[in-house]
Amino acid sequence: GENVEQHPSTLSVQEGDSAVIKCTYSDSASNYFPWYKQELGKGPQLIIDIRSNVGEKKDQRIAVTLNKTAKHFSLHITETQPEDSAVYFCAAGTGGFKTIFGAGTRLFVKA
Amino acid sequence: DVKVTQSSRYLVKRTGEKVFLECVQDMDHENMFWYRQDPGLGLRLIYFSYDVKMKEKGDIPEGYSVSREKKERFSLILESASTNQTSMYLCASSKGQSRAEAFFGQGTRLTVV
Repeated sequence: GENVEQHPSTLSVQEGDSAVIKCTYSDSASNYFPWYKQELGKGPQLIIDIRSNVGEKKDQRIAVTLNKTAKHFSLHITETQPEDSAVYFCAAGTGGFKTIFGAGTRLFVKA
Repeated sequence: DVKVTQSSRYLVKRTGEKVFLECVQDMDHENMFWYRQDPGLGLRLIYFSYDVKMKEKGDIPEGYSVSREKKERFSLILESASTNQTSMYLCASSKGQSRAEAFFGQGTRLTVV
């Protein structure tokens, strides 16, 4: 069946450095790619999303890139801060109700 | 502020018990979802509902059922809890159109002993 692979599972960076999380998806019909951040004790929260007609999207320190040919997309966080420490999930949706989530990346930002 | 509220943060139940997990949203969303979150497996969809009294199976519906009698409330039912259903359960809701942002509750950590 369809799946989304996410790497790495754990990422540790120094405050101020950049962090990159990568995902690949299998369903070529996917056209919606949200990213969620889950802080300790909370549910996931959408931080940015990208649709298949866009190759890149940026929101302050966060950017996402999409390569539909290769079926992969990435999250880039620049100038990381301790409050960026969380679990990040990528997901791929086909425009209906079904969204497939990656396994998650636990990001640690060391002060 | 948008809100999805799950009735319990932590729950401990015995094997064989019938378990109800309740979720309420105040955003008048059409769609509601139940996910299960396990380490290394991400979020897996159990069931979803796109309207009152409507339900669709997700990827792992076995051992679960759902009920949606009112638009704002979506219940997950474990008919006979088993230890392999020990997990974090997340409820979410979204607007009716496709590719809409999902809003999640804070989660219910269920332990079946």
